[in-house]
Amino acid sequence: NAGVMQNPRHLVRRRGQEARLRCSPMKGHSHVYWYRQLPEEGLKFMVYLQKENIIDESGMPKERFSAEFPKEGPSILRIQQVVRGDSAAYFCASSPPQGVSTEAFFGQGTRLTVV
Amino acid sequence: AQKVTQAQTEISVVEKEDVTLDCVYETRDTTYYLFWYKQPPSGELVFLIRRNSFDEQNEISGRYSWNFQKSTSSFNFTITASQVVDSAVYFCALSGGTYKYIFGTGTRLKVLA
Repeated sequence: NAGVMQNPRHLVRRRGQEARLRCSPMKGHSHVYWYRQLPEEGLKFMVYLQKENIIDESGMPKERFSAEFPKEGPSILRIQQVVRGDSAAYFCASSPPQGVSTEAFFGQGTRLTVV
Repeated sequence: AQKVTQAQTEISVVEKEDVTLDCVYETRDTTYYLFWYKQPPSGELVFLIRRNSFDEQNEISGRYSWNFQKSTSSFNFTITASQVVDSAVYFCALSGGTYKYIFGTGTRLKVLA
C-alpha cells in the first residue's frame, strides 16, 4: 500500500519561474489537502480538493497560486512567478471519502527553495 | 476561533529521561479531533495518534503515552525513557469537525546521548 506520494522532494527555482508540485493520494482516497510549512513554523492549510473540484481554497494566496485535482492523474499545486517568500515545505495529505472522521495521511513534502 | 498552542519551543533531555510535550487547544466545536505528528530531521510527517473529543481515555503505545483532559483543553504527550531517535519536531493538531487541521507551532525535542 503506497502512501501519499509527492514529487519532487526538493525543487529549486529562480525568482520569476514557475513551480509545479505533484501529489498522488493514497489508493482509494478522493480528498486531497495542501499545506504549507514556512521555516520554523507549523503547517498552514492552503486548499482542499476533491476530484475535479476545489472545495475550499481559503488558505491560498489570491495571486500566483493555483491547485487542481483532475479526474486522472495527481493533484498539482502551481506557483507562478515564484518569490523568495514562497520558499517553504509544501505537504499534501489525503483522506478517504469519509473525510475528516479519519486521519489525513501526509506525504513526505516538497521543499521549494527560491533563489 | 480554533487554536493550538505548543508553548515549549524546544526541549533538551538526556537519553533515558522522561519528557512531556504540552498541547493546549481552543475550539467551540463539541465534536473535534486531536492529533500528534512527528517530524524527524528528514522532514516527513509521521502520524502518531488521533483522539476524538468523546474519548478521554489516556492511551499508551510502547514508550509513548497521551493524556487528554477536556477540563483543561490539553492533550499532552509523554515519551518515557527517551532515545536519541526520538529527536524531532512534534506537532499537535486540531480538526474541529471540518477538513482543516490547525497545527501548533511545534516543539523541537533534542535527546542527547
